[in-house]
Amino acid sequence: EAGVAQSPRYKIIEKRQSVAFWCNPISGHATLYWYQQILGQGPKLLIQFQNNGVVDDSQLPKDRFSAERLKGVDSTLKIQPAKLEDSAVYLCASSLLAGIYEQYFGPGTRLTVT
Amino acid sequence: KNEVEQSPQNLTAQEGEFITINCSYSVGISALHWLQQHPGGGIVSLFMLSSGKKKHGRLIATINIQEKHSSLHITASHPRDSAVYICAVGGAQKLVFGQGTRLTINP
Repeated sequence: EAGVAQSPRYKIIEKRQSVAFWCNPISGHATLYWYQQILGQGPKLLIQFQNNGVVDDSQLPKDRFSAERLKGVDSTLKIQPAKLEDSAVYLCASSLLAGIYEQYFGPGTRLTVT
Repeated sequence: KNEVEQSPQNLTAQEGEFITINCSYSVGISALHWLQQHPGGGIVSLFMLSSGKKKHGRLIATINIQEKHSSLHITASHPRDSAVYICAVGGAQKLVFGQGTRLTINP
């Protein structure tokens, strides 16, 4: 069974530039999560999708971050414009359904904003 | 106060030692997860439990729902166990993560 795929693995941009991350979840998983993990901290949920609908985006900085999952499969997360404090690892995870189901994580994208 | 607190934040031990990492939480949960994150790597789920105890190889996870506390034990620790161990608690919809415990096992 293929795992959660993410690209790119690494990205370096200057502040005020834009960046996009891509995630392809495990086939058949209805729930997809984007997390931000700042160095030395645990992951923080940015947005959760159930199929192509948003379940929770309460911690997504909507003035600069956006995410979509148009066909209920793969997803993109965009930052525009980036700030220095956005430097982090962006993790995508998927699960069969929300709640008590195990989440499977992708390798993450390490973003450095200079 | 964080909803999920782990202790210790950092732990260094010698190969072969018995390791315990603790997790306390303050919210109602459906399940608790223990996750492992190697440097530069993604996150791997070790356990998901809602009661009692689970064992996988040298790893043991326990949970006490009444006390809102869980422990992850590693027996006969090995340098390849060096990683960050993260506790996460799950409610109806999402997980809330602890800050992680960085474990270093020296040969």
